[in-house]
Amino acid sequence: EDQVTQSPEALRLQEGESSSLNCSYTVSGLRGLFWYRQDPGKGPEFLFTLYSAGEEKEKERLKATLTKKESFLHITAPKPEDSATYLCAVQASSNTGKLIFGQGTTLQVKP
Amino acid sequence: EPEVTQTPSHQVTQMGQEVILRCVPISNHLYFYWYRQILGQKVEFLVSFYNNEISEKSEIFDDQFSVERPDGSNFTLKIRSTKLEDSAMYFCASSGQGMRPQHFGDGTRLSIL
Repeated sequence: EDQVTQSPEALRLQEGESSSLNCSYTVSGLRGLFWYRQDPGKGPEFLFTLYSAGEEKEKERLKATLTKKESFLHITAPKPEDSATYLCAVQASSNTGKLIFGQGTTLQVKP
Repeated sequence: EPEVTQTPSHQVTQMGQEVILRCVPISNHLYFYWYRQILGQKVEFLVSFYNNEISEKSEIFDDQFSVERPDGSNFTLKIRSTKLEDSAMYFCASSGQGMRPQHFGDGTRLSIL
């Protein structure tokens, strides 16, 4: 069964304190792994797509990496505005666009 | 920047009533999706729609659910006879061709009384 697990469930950081979020997945043929940001009361906002092991993507203070079993979202010198829930989702090669989501990591960055 | 819009933002309905949730996907997108998120739980896939047909549906998407693209811009989710357990946030998403990322609306919060 295709599955996505994210850790930790919650993370509190001081402003400027770098850290990483983990997304472990088991899927029958990976077509793509997606990172989204979700603010309270809002829909998921697209951040990155990763397609193959070894690939990396960067955007401002965020960097996403991918291996054959997991992905990391590295946050460098975070700011309070980076506080949100970060969602990881996978798309398997056997289906037609369906995203399978993890439960998310809720990040709080304190000034 | 183009975005997916959903209406209403909040719908309160009596159990057993029909409800229609509406979505306007990004205009040049071809693939459309509905997901739901029960409070405190994961975002769950309901259905994908392409070329005026359902391309995949989950076990949640039973005979009480239907989707329609009544015109060139709207995409709707209908629940015929709502149950208490249908209370959730419902998200619409759309994507372009191939492996393009899905873009989500801000959701409709459905509350069943």
